[in-house]
Amino acid sequence: EVRLVESGGVVVQPGGSLRLSCAASGFTFENFAMYWVRQAPGKGLEWVSLIGWDARTTYYASSLRGRFTLSRDNSKDSLYLQMDSLRPEDTALYFCAKAQREGFNLDALDVWGRGTMVTVSS
Amino acid sequence: SYDLTQPPSVSVSPGQTASITCSGDKLGDKFASWYQQRPGQSPLLLIYQDTNRPSGIPERFSGSNSGDTATLTISGTQTLDEADYYCQAWDSSTVVFGGGTKLIVL
Repeated sequence: EVRLVESGGVVVQPGGSLRLSCAASGFTFENFAMYWVRQAPGKGLEWVSLIGWDARTTYYASSLRGRFTLSRDNSKDSLYLQMDSLRPEDTALYFCAKAQREGFNLDALDVWGRGTMVTVSS
Repeated sequence: SYDLTQPPSVSVSPGQTASITCSGDKLGDKFASWYQQRPGQSPLLLIYQDTNRPSGIPERFSGSNSGDTATLTISGTQTLDEADYYCQAWDSSTVVFGGGTKLIVL
C-alpha cells in the first residue's frame, strides 16, 4: 500500500522555525517528485513546494519569499520541509503528496498524506 | 501569477448531472487535474490530464478542457459526492489550484 505520513506539526511562536517530515512507503520513493500543499482552516488548497525525483530541482510558491526549504533523503524514503520566520498566516494543515508518474516533476498529485497541523501563534 | 477560478458552490439533485467549471487564461493549453476533498479527509485525485480517471474512480466522474475552461462532470450524482472539488494546473513550474467548489447534493 502506498502511504505518506507527515509529522512535525506543532504550535510555534511567530518568527520561529519548524521542520516537517513526510515518511513514504509502498513505492520507490527515489523515482517520484514530491510536493507539499497546505490548507488554512476553512480555506482551499495552496501549493507550497515541490522537489524533483532526483532532488536537483526545487520550486516554491512565490508567496513564501524564501522562508521555506524543501529537501529529501532518498536513503530514508523521507521528505523534509524546513520552515523559518514563521508567520500567523502560515497556520495550516500541511499535506505531502507524490507525483503520479515516475520521473515526472510536473504531474498530478495522486497520493496524499493525512497532513500535519502547524499553528503559528503567540 | 496564474489564476484558476471556480464557482464557490454548485447545487444538484441526487441522480442528476453536476458540472463544475474551472477558468483560466488558455487553460486548454495546459493539463488540468481535479481533486475531491470530503470533510476531514485528504484530497483524492479524480481526473488527471484533462480526461483520465485513476483506477478506482467511478465512471460517473469525467473531465474536459478546452479554450479557457476545464469542466468536471458528475453523472448520476450521489449524496456521497457532496464534497469540495478543486481543479489544478501547472504554470511555469508552479502548481496552481482553483479556489474550490462546494458541491451540494439536495
